[in-house]
Amino acid sequence: DQQVKQNSPSLSVQEGRISILNCDYTNSMFDYFLWYKKYPAEGPTFLISISSIKDKNEDGRFTVFLNKSAKHLSLHIVPSQPGDSAVYFCASNFGNEKLTFGTGTRLTIIP
Amino acid sequence: DSGVTQTPKHLITATGQRVTLRCSPRSGDLSVYWYQQSLDQGLQFLIQYYNGEERAKGNILERFSAQQFPDLHSELNLSSLELGDSALYFCASSDRVEIAGGPGERELFFGEGSRLTVL
Repeated sequence: DQQVKQNSPSLSVQEGRISILNCDYTNSMFDYFLWYKKYPAEGPTFLISISSIKDKNEDGRFTVFLNKSAKHLSLHIVPSQPGDSAVYFCASNFGNEKLTFGTGTRLTIIP
Repeated sequence: DSGVTQTPKHLITATGQRVTLRCSPRSGDLSVYWYQQSLDQGLQFLIQYYNGEERAKGNILERFSAQQFPDLHSELNLSSLELGDSALYFCASSDRVEIAGGPGERELFFGEGSRLTVL
């Protein structure tokens, strides 16, 4: 049972434009959501997070939006840069539970 | 550099063999997690240790076992290896102290992974 789903395995975006990565979850108990970025041959690195008490969190070019009623979150990257090309994982948990990850979206920024 | 160290980075072995993957968490982190990433799969949680004790178990096969030592490093033992065990194995650590009923582990810091190839 995939509790965190990233339905787009890949996404290509022109440099300078907005990249929008989507994630859906099924467990209504999840109360914390994170995005991780992964380059080839490296481990995932934490990018940005949001608590369920918020609907938006911004950090520089990265903004995460949370829609609890739709059980949906998205990551916006503006403007997209070539260095943003990576695989992005969304993850979630609640309480003391371990993080549950999605299957990832490979983002390619086209120069 | 996340501060989490995993060895070996690459490992090639044959079916039926046994291997040990090692992880040193970030200094001061008490929690260690193991995740498996197979081809086109997300990160599947295997097991978590907190200060030397097993805290949570995920989709870990009986052929696999892990432990966390007093110096907080952890080892993941994979035995009777099968072709399907070929994957990237990530270790992650966390600096949050678990508080009963409180917020759970949040950001995890990952090592670079150990790529296991079973031939």
